[in-house]
Amino acid sequence: AQSVTQLGSHVSVSEGALVLLRCNYSSSVPPYLFWYVQYPNQGLQLLLKYTSAATLVKGINGFEAEFKKSETSFHLTKPSAHMSDAAEYFCAVSASSNTGKLIFGQGTTLQVKP
Amino acid sequence: GAGVSQTPSNKVTEKGKYVELRCDPISGHTALYWYRQSLGQGPEFLIYFQGTGAADDSGLPNDRFFAVRPEGSVSTLKIQRTERGDSAVYLCASSPSGVGGGTEAFFGQGTRLTVV
Repeated sequence: AQSVTQLGSHVSVSEGALVLLRCNYSSSVPPYLFWYVQYPNQGLQLLLKYTSAATLVKGINGFEAEFKKSETSFHLTKPSAHMSDAAEYFCAVSASSNTGKLIFGQGTTLQVKP
Repeated sequence: GAGVSQTPSNKVTEKGKYVELRCDPISGHTALYWYRQSLGQGPEFLIYFQGTGAADDSGLPNDRFFAVRPEGSVSTLKIQRTERGDSAVYLCASSPSGVGGGTEAFFGQGTRLTVV
């Protein structure tokens, strides 16, 4: 079985500061991992995904995440926050042998202060 | 349109009524998923279609929930005898194949269902 835990339901940073959103996963098989972003009144949009290639994954809008098997983590980072990054972020895991079904974390709301 | 389309965007219904939620996936996508997102929670898987067949319906909470995809394109999620606890945003997603766990899913904007 797979599960995802996102540490911190709300994260607040100043514009220009580092963004760090934490995600830990549990999986009985090698995982595929995803980060999605949800802007107000919009659908979920894929930021990046890990599919067992490079452990450091670069995504859209300057975000990246590093897969660390020893720590069962897939934390999302961005060096410098923009006001437009304010949104809700979801980490998700999909088992490598299944059909693409995603197990989501509870989400982290990112607030960016001017 | 190029994306996943869900209608209606909002639905208010009375407890005990029947509702249907529609999803138009991206053209050519064979895999279609329904998720439910309650307030303050991440999306929870409901059902997965590969073509016309429901390949995995393990997330449907009970037999009041049913979904169909008769022609392998549009899907309808049906909820009978709605309860206040069914209030949530229902999300639909599609992907080109759905086989294998690394496939990207494209999400619609969701239908916000409110049961009063």
